[in-house]
Amino acid sequence: GQNIDQPTEMTATEGAIVQINCTYQTSGFNGLFWYQQHAGEAPTFLSYNVLDGLEEKGRFSSFLSRSKGYSYLLLKELQMKDSASYLCAVMDSNYQLIWGAGTKLIIKP
Amino acid sequence: GAVVSQHPSWVICKSGTSVKIECRSLDFQATTMFWYRQFPKQSLMLMATSNEGSKATYEQGVEKDKFLINHASLTLSTLTVTSAHPEDSSFYICSASLLAGGPNEQFFGPGTRLTVL
Repeated sequence: GQNIDQPTEMTATEGAIVQINCTYQTSGFNGLFWYQQHAGEAPTFLSYNVLDGLEEKGRFSSFLSRSKGYSYLLLKELQMKDSASYLCAVMDSNYQLIWGAGTKLIIKP
Repeated sequence: GAVVSQHPSWVICKSGTSVKIECRSLDFQATTMFWYRQFPKQSLMLMATSNEGSKATYEQGVEKDKFLINHASLTLSTLTVTSAHPEDSSFYICSASLLAGGPNEQFFGPGTRLTVL
């Protein structure tokens, strides 16, 4: 079966750095997405990786290793507004998104 | 970026009634639209995928007669929850992509919170 694993919850301090990991097993791979979702709101796109390596976009970076079925989202200089759920999603061979359960990130002052 | 709207944002209805949710792509033509359901503290669950002018493809376990999807144009898809019951109470989110197939970003609507009494 297809499976996406990510931690349920993480806590970090304002101004610090946090890494949210995602491992996946899917039938085929056509890229990995990270989305941010604030409570009661729809997800918003953060990043897309299809090749191995690190993609940097401001305070957020996303890394992919296809051979290991592994990705992480790195958030730097954490701000209180970064408190949200972070969803990892993999696009399988049928171009269908397989969603992880999400990681709830709690930022403390 | 591409904008997707949903209407209504929230709705409360009595058990047994039907509720229609609209999803519109405001500044682009969406070949494919997706309908998701999300229960509290859970991830998104894909209900169905619809392409303009054709029947929706429902995920396993989703009743097509209960969740009617109409993708009438490249900018509008509707989800009708027929004979709603309290267990249908959930957060319904639509998304749209520019192209059919391919590794395309999905643009999400703001969601509709349905409460069935």
